[in-house]
Amino acid sequence: GESVGLHLPTLSVQEGDNSIINCAYSNSASDYFIWYKQESGKGPQFIIDIRSNMDKRQGQRVTVLLNKTVKHLSLQIAATQPGDSAVYFCAENIKTNNNDMRFGAGTRLTVKP
Amino acid sequence: ETGVTQTPRHLVMGMTNKKSLKCEQHLGHNAMYWYKQSAKKPLELMFVYNFKEQTENNSVPSRFSPECPNSSHLFLHLHTLQPEDSALYLCASSPRDNNEKLFFGSGTQLSVL
Repeated sequence: GESVGLHLPTLSVQEGDNSIINCAYSNSASDYFIWYKQESGKGPQFIIDIRSNMDKRQGQRVTVLLNKTVKHLSLQIAATQPGDSAVYFCAENIKTNNNDMRFGAGTRLTVKP
Repeated sequence: ETGVTQTPRHLVMGMTNKKSLKCEQHLGHNAMYWYKQSAKKPLELMFVYNFKEQTENNSVPSRFSPECPNSSHLFLHLHTLQPEDSALYLCASSPRDNNEKLFFGSGTQLSVL
């Protein structure tokens, strides 16, 4: 799982397995969410986004699920590859500040060959 | 290559020094941002510029001074920093200043001695 401001959770998976990274967001009024991937030595890279009028959105090998009832967001990566090893952040548009996106602390995904 | 270039990649400075971080985006975006990334803390928004105008200053100390001469360039001027300012400083851009779908540079790793 993942919570803003806490220690960095880790997830270790075998190459080829599916990965699920979780995020608990804070504001029930948030209406836009993003997942970013940050590899070592690089800045965060946009992966996929979702608006609150949807509960699922799919990209290439990635799926984001949104459960507004419990304020939970997840990122599913299919057939995880070594290149997927990185820190993954969720971010929510908290709507209480001008255009401010609140980022989670991140989850470190390690893919074992 | 994200289209956002930051220099320098690494910077070590004393508390009495004055230095500047530079960011350039080649994406034709209208908004540019400075973020701070500290160890074990979520990304923190510092400044937002839209069409060269500052639209947000997220309670950042005055020892950090941003400058945006045009929509493609962003600077962060540093003076009399403290050791706790040591962090990765990330520049980002987006089509609009709504903090959505940010394109990040690789950051400047700053160490204040």
